[in-house]
Amino acid sequence: AQSVTQLGSHVSVSEGALVLLRCNYSSSVPPYLFWYVQYPNQGLQLLLKYTTGATLVKGINGFEAEFKKSETSFHLTKPSAHMSDAAEYFCAVTRNTGGFKTIFGAGTRLFVKA
Amino acid sequence: DADVTQTPRNRITKTGKRIMLECSQTKGHDRMYWYRQDPGLGLRLIYYSFDVKDINKGEISDGYSVSRQAQAKFSLSLESAIPNQTALYFCATSDTTHSYNEQFFGPGTRLTVL
Repeated sequence: AQSVTQLGSHVSVSEGALVLLRCNYSSSVPPYLFWYVQYPNQGLQLLLKYTTGATLVKGINGFEAEFKKSETSFHLTKPSAHMSDAAEYFCAVTRNTGGFKTIFGAGTRLFVKA
Repeated sequence: DADVTQTPRNRITKTGKRIMLECSQTKGHDRMYWYRQDPGLGLRLIYYSFDVKDINKGEISDGYSVSRQAQAKFSLSLESAIPNQTALYFCATSDTTHSYNEQFFGPGTRLTVL
């Protein structure tokens, strides 16, 4: 069975500081990996995804994530936090064996301090 | 206009009442999903549908039912609402073009069962 673990339900950074949100997955086959962001009172929207090819993936709003197969990780980073980055972030995994199933992590709420 | 819409956006009801949440999409996607979001638990799949004639249970389908009225419409019903069904409910869609199953979310329905 596959699962997704996000380390830290809450992360707080100062404006301008590095953002690092951690995601580890377990999957018996190489997965497709996603980060979604949820702003207050909104649905989830795709931030970035890894499907194949380059393991460093760039997304919207300056975020990027690196797929590390050996560590079964897909951590999300941004060099410099902005107040508008305050939101909840979800890591998700889909198996690439033809099954539809997408599993979401529990989410990490990012707080950005002025 | 939003690609995935949900009605109502907020609903307060009483224990034992029947409730229907509706989802419509203009993306032309075949796949539709209903999730519930609870703090600290991420998103959990209630039901999903790959086309109008296909309905499948997700991981937490007990107490819920769905209807796929058309490619664009997928409704979720709570036959007899109970307080632990108080949650944020999301509809999502995906297409069959890619196996990685990127999903597009509606804005959510906040349901409170008293």
